[in-house]
Amino acid sequence: AQSVTQLDSHVSVSEGTPVLLRCNYSSSYSPSLFWYVQHPNKGLQLLLKYTSAATLVKGINGFEAEFKKSETSFHLTKPSAHMSDAAEYFCVVSDRDTGRRALTFGSGTRLQVQP
Amino acid sequence: DTGVSQDPRHKITKRGQNVTFRCDPISEHNRLYWYRQTLGQGPEFLTYFQNEAQLEKSRLLSDRFSAERPKGSFSTLEIQRTEQGDSAMYLCASSDPLLNQYEQYFGPGTRLTVT
Repeated sequence: AQSVTQLDSHVSVSEGTPVLLRCNYSSSYSPSLFWYVQHPNKGLQLLLKYTSAATLVKGINGFEAEFKKSETSFHLTKPSAHMSDAAEYFCVVSDRDTGRRALTFGSGTRLQVQP
Repeated sequence: DTGVSQDPRHKITKRGQNVTFRCDPISEHNRLYWYRQTLGQGPEFLTYFQNEAQLEKSRLLSDRFSAERPKGSFSTLEIQRTEQGDSAMYLCASSDPLLNQYEQYFGPGTRLTVT
């Protein structure tokens, strides 16, 4: 079985400071890992994905994440937060080896950006 | 193409009534997924189709829920005899395994309120 734990339900940062959203995963097989963002009243948007290539993954809007197998982590970072980054962020896992295509979402981290 | 669309965006119904939601995936995407998201939680997988075949159903999908994709294009999700616990956001996603089998594109969702 696969699961995701997002270690913080809320994170608050000041504009211009770094962002760190933490995620740990559990998977019996080789995982694919994703970060999605959900702005109010908008659909889920894919930020970035890891599918067994480079362990440091760059996404849209300056976000990146590093896959660390030994720590079973996939933390999301951004060097400098913008007000527009305020949203709900979901860490997501999918098992590549089983052929199952359903995504398993974490419970989400709400990012607040203070001016 | 404007992405995945869902109709209606909002639905308020009385307990015991039946409701039906529609999802139109991105053209040419042969995989279609339904998820449910309750307040403060990440989306949970309900079911998925490859073309018109329903290949997997979650245990969350009780007997009161039925999903169809009759011609391999749009899909409908019906809930019979709605209960207050059915109140949630119902999300649809689609993917094209030939292009990128791991990436799912989400619609804006249908928010169901059962009174």
